[in-house]
Amino acid sequence: AQSVTQLGSHVSVSEGALVLLRCNYSSSVPPYLFWYVQYPNQGLQLLLKYTSAATLVKGINGFEAEFKKSETSFHLTKPSAHMSDAAEYFCAVSHTGGFKTIFGAGTRLFVKA
Amino acid sequence: DAGVIQSPRHEVTEMGQEVTLRCKPISGHNSLFWYRQTMMRGLELLIYFNNNVPIDDSGMPEDRFSAKMPNASFSTLKIQPSEPRDSAVYFCASSLPGGSGNTIYFGEGSWLTVV
Repeated sequence: AQSVTQLGSHVSVSEGALVLLRCNYSSSVPPYLFWYVQYPNQGLQLLLKYTSAATLVKGINGFEAEFKKSETSFHLTKPSAHMSDAAEYFCAVSHTGGFKTIFGAGTRLFVKA
Repeated sequence: DAGVIQSPRHEVTEMGQEVTLRCKPISGHNSLFWYRQTMMRGLELLIYFNNNVPIDDSGMPEDRFSAKMPNASFSTLKIQPSEPRDSAVYFCASSLPGGSGNTIYFGEGSWLTVV
């Protein structure tokens, strides 16, 4: 069985500060890992994904995430937060041959001016 | 390119009425998902279709909910009769074969309010 745990339902940072959103996964098979972002009143859209190539994955809008197998983690980071980054972020996991993508509960990011 | 198209975007209906939500997936995608999102329960997978066939409907909350996919370009989610606790945002999403490393593309959602 697969699962995803996102640590912290809400994260608040100041504009220009580092963004760190935490995600830990559980999977008995090699996972595919995703971060999706949901802006207000919109659907989810892909931010980045890990598919067993490079462990450091770069996404849109300056975000990146690093796959750490030893820590079963896939934390999302951005060096400098911008007001437009305020949104909800979802970590997700799937695997080859499985049809389901399992989503975490989401972390809402607030950016203070 | 057109993304996943959902209609209606917003619906307000009275308890007991039938609600039908519609979805057009991205052309070429053979997997279709219906999700429900609420503050209390987060994002829930209701049902998954592969090649127009329902594969897993274990997330459908009760018999009042039904979903169909008569062809590769259209799906409906029906609630009959509707109840206030059905108020939520319903997302349709599509992808190449579900799971694996395939990206799921979401529509903008149908905001349902049952009064």
